[in-house]
Amino acid sequence: QSVLTQPPSASGTPGQRVTISCSGSSSNIGGNTVNWYQVLPGTAPKLLIYSNDLRPSGVPDRFSGSKSGTSASLAISGLQSDDEADYYCAVWDDSLNGPVFGGGTKLTVL
Amino acid sequence: QVQLVQSGAEVKKPGASVKVSCKASGYTFTGYYMHWVRQAPGQGLEWMGWINPNSGGTHYAQKFQGRVTMTRDTSISTAYMELSGLISDDTAVYYCGRRMVPATSGLYDYWGQGALVTVSS
Repeated sequence: QSVLTQPPSASGTPGQRVTISCSGSSSNIGGNTVNWYQVLPGTAPKLLIYSNDLRPSGVPDRFSGSKSGTSASLAISGLQSDDEADYYCAVWDDSLNGPVFGGGTKLTVL
Repeated sequence: QVQLVQSGAEVKKPGASVKVSCKASGYTFTGYYMHWVRQAPGQGLEWMGWINPNSGGTHYAQKFQGRVTMTRDTSISTAYMELSGLISDDTAVYYCGRRMVPATSGLYDYWGQGALVTVSS
């Protein structure tokens, strides 16, 4: 049982916009910044979004993040086939003095 | 460029220990905390703990306390994670991740490639 709640799956067709939600509590999302990671099979996680809505250099602006209260969202616009991956939200948890992760959302591009 | 290169895959018997290394390059090793995260087959990401490479101070997730030891060798810019008393549920890919600075900006900006540890009799 993950501390952060994500839908287990999401899907869309090429070109569509999809959003993935992440729900937490006051000790994590409510008081700290949210990160999003993309995990492709057999590869290390890749940072997509940090500080709720900032993109590292090299990450396309098709990826965007937002946060409100104790929830956050990742939006992917102009969906592409190589966006098929698992997406995880992650945030520091003050009560654990460590990070917590969502259970991951498997994105399928139909 | 920043790189974290981990040691290779390991196969261990139940009850044994495993030590995974993470060699850093392209930045000042002592300037960034190093965390360890694992992913069991078909499961999500699970945080294990961190080490401050500058002081050697550590903090472990409660689940792993008593079984995990994180160390570092600053002379070769390498962090280590040793897990003892292995059981089949410890079969996972183990990642090291560099904590961003300042810490308030985010979690991990660079990750190692992962090290598969298989626990099997």
